[in-house]
Amino acid sequence: AQSVTQPDIHITVSEGASLELRCNYSYGATPYLFWYVQSPGQGLQLLLKYFSGDTLVQGIKGFEAEFKRSQSSFNLRKPSVHWSDAAEYFCAVADSSNTGKLIFGQGTTLQVKP
Amino acid sequence: ETGVTQTPRHLVMGMTNKKSLKCEQHLGHNAMYWYKQSAKKPLELMFVYSLEERVENNSVPSRFSPECPNSSHLFLHLHTLQPEDSALYLCASSQDVGMGGHQETQYFGPGTRLLVL
Repeated sequence: AQSVTQPDIHITVSEGASLELRCNYSYGATPYLFWYVQSPGQGLQLLLKYFSGDTLVQGIKGFEAEFKRSQSSFNLRKPSVHWSDAAEYFCAVADSSNTGKLIFGQGTTLQVKP
Repeated sequence: ETGVTQTPRHLVMGMTNKKSLKCEQHLGHNAMYWYKQSAKKPLELMFVYSLEERVENNSVPSRFSPECPNSSHLFLHLHTLQPEDSALYLCASSQDVGMGGHQETQYFGPGTRLLVL
């Protein structure tokens, strides 16, 4: 069965520092992968997605992610974090059942220090 | 109004009450979803509708009853809930349900924060 693991439950970085959030997935075929962000009291906003092609994907708000099949990873990166990036980040993989089902990781909470 | 909207944003109900959550999408999409987000747990898919037809019921208890009268509206009717049903209920929509290996991007509403007393 498909699964997604986000090893870091909570991460704190200083404003202006670089960021990497880890995501590992378990999936037999080529996965469809997503990163979403959720600010407090809000729904989920799509940051970026990987369906096929270039393994380095650019998203909104200066985020990017790299798909590495050999490591079953889809880590999210940002070169310089802003205080407004403090939120919860979710990695997800599409289920193979053709019902639109997404399998989500448990999320990583990002705290940004001034 | 654009995107996916949900009402109410907050709801407190007793275990014997009956209430409904409403979701509306203004994106012209054909598929709609209900998710449950509990504290310290991954988001759980509850139901999927495609063109007003339910295509997925993820082993959800019968005290949750979805309704999709048209492709723009999705309801979740609640009755005799339990305190453990307290959570954030998120609605999402996508152009279509992924088929043949093609996955559609899902767009989420802000959620309804539900507290069952």
